[in-house]
Amino acid sequence: DGGITQSPKYLFRKEGQNVTLSCEQNLNHDAMYWYRQDPGQGLRLIYYSQIVNDFQKGDIAEGYSVSREKKESFPLTVTSAQKNPTAFYLCASSIDPGEAFFGQGTRLTVV
Amino acid sequence: AQSVTQLDSQVPVFEEAPVELRCNYSSSVSVYLFWYVQYPNQGLQLLLKYLSGSTLVKGINGFEAEFNKSQTSFHLRKPSVHISDTAEYFCAVRGDSWGKLQFGAGTQVVVTP
Repeated sequence: DGGITQSPKYLFRKEGQNVTLSCEQNLNHDAMYWYRQDPGQGLRLIYYSQIVNDFQKGDIAEGYSVSREKKESFPLTVTSAQKNPTAFYLCASSIDPGEAFFGQGTRLTVV
Repeated sequence: AQSVTQLDSQVPVFEEAPVELRCNYSSSVSVYLFWYVQYPNQGLQLLLKYLSGSTLVKGINGFEAEFNKSQTSFHLRKPSVHISDTAEYFCAVRGDSWGKLQFGAGTQVVVTP
C-alpha cells in the first residue's frame, strides 16, 4: 500500500539533545513537508522540499534542520537550539496541484 | 503569500443537526483549497478539495463546501452530523505556483446526542 510512514510514534528527548524524526513515502511525490502542531495553533510549516536536494524554510524553521537526499525520504532533526520542542510533528507529501497526504505523526516530549 | 482564517475555534452541535464551518482566505493569486479532518493523535485525512471547475465540491462522509471567489471563502457544511463527526477540521490553501500549503488554526466540532 502506498503511503507516508513516520517513525517513531512517540519520542522523548532530554534537554540539549538532538533528535531525528523519520518520514518516508512511497507515493512518488516530489514535494514533502514538515509541520508542527500545538493545541489551538493549527499546523505551522517548518520546512518543505519541492525536489530532491532542495528545501525551503517555512514559518518556524529556527532550531530545526532537514535533508532531502532521496525522493522518498525527508528526515527532520530537532536540534538543541529549539527551546520548546514538545509538540506533535506531521510529515506530508504532495503532487502539484493536488492535496497533501499525511503520516500518522510523531509526538515529541522533552523530559 | 496566502493566509487562512477559520472563524470558529469550537462548534458544538447536536446529533442529526446541520453544521457549517467557516473558512476565509487571502491570496494575491489563484488558489487551491482543501478541508481536512483530524481525529485525536492521528494525521490529517482529506475531506474534499477545490482545484477548478464547479464551485460546489462534494467530499467524503457527506460533507460539501462552496468556493466563493468574491467573498474569498470556502465554508464546509454537512446537513446532518453523527457522533463520529466529532473531530478537528482544518481549512488549507495553496497558491497556484509551487509552494507551501497554509493551514488555518482549526475548528473543533463536538457532536452530542
